[in-house]
Amino acid sequence: DGGITQSPKYLFRKEGQNVTLSCEQNLNHDAMYWYRQDPGQGLRLIYYSQIVNDFQKGDIAEGYSVSREKKESFPLTVTSAQKNPTAFYLCASSIQPDGPRAEAFFGQGTRLTVV
Amino acid sequence: GQNIDQPTEMTATEGAIVQINCTYQTSGFNGLFWYQQHAGEAPTFLSYNVLDGLEEKGRFSSFLSRSKGYSYLLLKELQMKDSASYLCAALDSNYQLIWGAGTKLIIKP
Repeated sequence: DGGITQSPKYLFRKEGQNVTLSCEQNLNHDAMYWYRQDPGQGLRLIYYSQIVNDFQKGDIAEGYSVSREKKESFPLTVTSAQKNPTAFYLCASSIQPDGPRAEAFFGQGTRLTVV
Repeated sequence: GQNIDQPTEMTATEGAIVQINCTYQTSGFNGLFWYQQHAGEAPTFLSYNVLDGLEEKGRFSSFLSRSKGYSYLLLKELQMKDSASYLCAALDSNYQLIWGAGTKLIIKP
């Protein structure tokens, strides 16, 4: 079955440690996105990529980094510079970034807790 | 700035109809999406509107008025499984999705 896989579903890390969240898709989508979701707030875009080896910062990129070495993979690293990393992280992909084909397909999410 | 407004929470009765409103202010507009999100899970796509009018899809319908910057999601014959958050998102001129905070819909028997 085609889809987006995020792993792990739950992740605990100590403060000051970097952590990498995995996102893999086999939908052959060009565009991939990372969002952060906090209670009572809308999804906020961290980074996005429309093509391999290229990515752009979203609204809240500080303290995060990404890579897009393969079309299928878009890992997110939460660095120690991120002041409040505890959140629900969602990875998404779309066929194209515009129009009805901008429909985003989401992974099941990773809930990161920093202690 | 860009902004999406939708009610924080709504309550409805099983079998009834509920309308969830969304107003948007974006830099340019390339369409509006509705997603459903059950607690702790990923959002799933419900509808996309780019032209004015009503789009019907089974028990769910979505309406758009571009001149008013307004959309609504209409859910008919409510079922307990419809208890979820409903997210409104507008696609701006840069083809970025601007998300509302979501409306938590509570269905009572």
